[in-house]
Amino acid sequence: GQNIDQPTEMTATEGAIVQINCTYQTSGFNGLFWYQQHAGEAPTFLSYNVLDGLEEKGRFSSFLSRSKGYSYLLLKELQMKDSASYLCAVSPHNTDKLIFGTGTRLQVFP
Amino acid sequence: DVKVTQSSRYLVKRTGEKVFLECVQDMDHENMFWYRQDPGLGLRLIYFSYDVKMKEKGDIPEGYSVSREKKERFSLILESASTNQTSMYLCASSLGPRDRDMRPEAFFGQGTRLTVV
Repeated sequence: GQNIDQPTEMTATEGAIVQINCTYQTSGFNGLFWYQQHAGEAPTFLSYNVLDGLEEKGRFSSFLSRSKGYSYLLLKELQMKDSASYLCAVSPHNTDKLIFGTGTRLQVFP
Repeated sequence: DVKVTQSSRYLVKRTGEKVFLECVQDMDHENMFWYRQDPGLGLRLIYFSYDVKMKEKGDIPEGYSVSREKKERFSLILESASTNQTSMYLCASSLGPRDRDMRPEAFFGQGTRLTVV
């Protein structure tokens, strides 16, 4: 099975950098996703990592280490609009199911 | 852009009623999902469908069933609604394994907030 852990809440200041961690215990997976969800809205896709290493996309980057069972989402130059929940998810081997962690609620303060 | 549409944003039903939640996607996606989202518990997978008439149980299928008679439509059925099924329900869709590498992400509907009284 999958056990995906994320911190429940984080706070940060506008303009700063924040790293949101995701650790997982799974027998294997196709790839690891990060989604953003603003309050009252649907989750939206941010990134997908298949191989180990860093994927950069503007202010957001995502890192994966399969051997360590670890991923993180890095948000740079934080803006107030980045206040949202960030969801880590894996797609297990031999299925297209998508299994989510409990999410991290990020609050950005001025 | 992909559009995933859920039939209702808000729904109030009585205990014991049979409830249908409908979801339609317009991008010919093979995969469709039903999740419920509760504070502190995150998104939990109820059922997953990878093709018409094909389904797999998720982590919390008890008390629910699903129907996928057409590729674009995936219905979640609460056979006899109970108060512990009060929740936000989210539908999603994604491409199948043949095209997964091109666009692996799932697209979500806006959610249905169901209250069972």
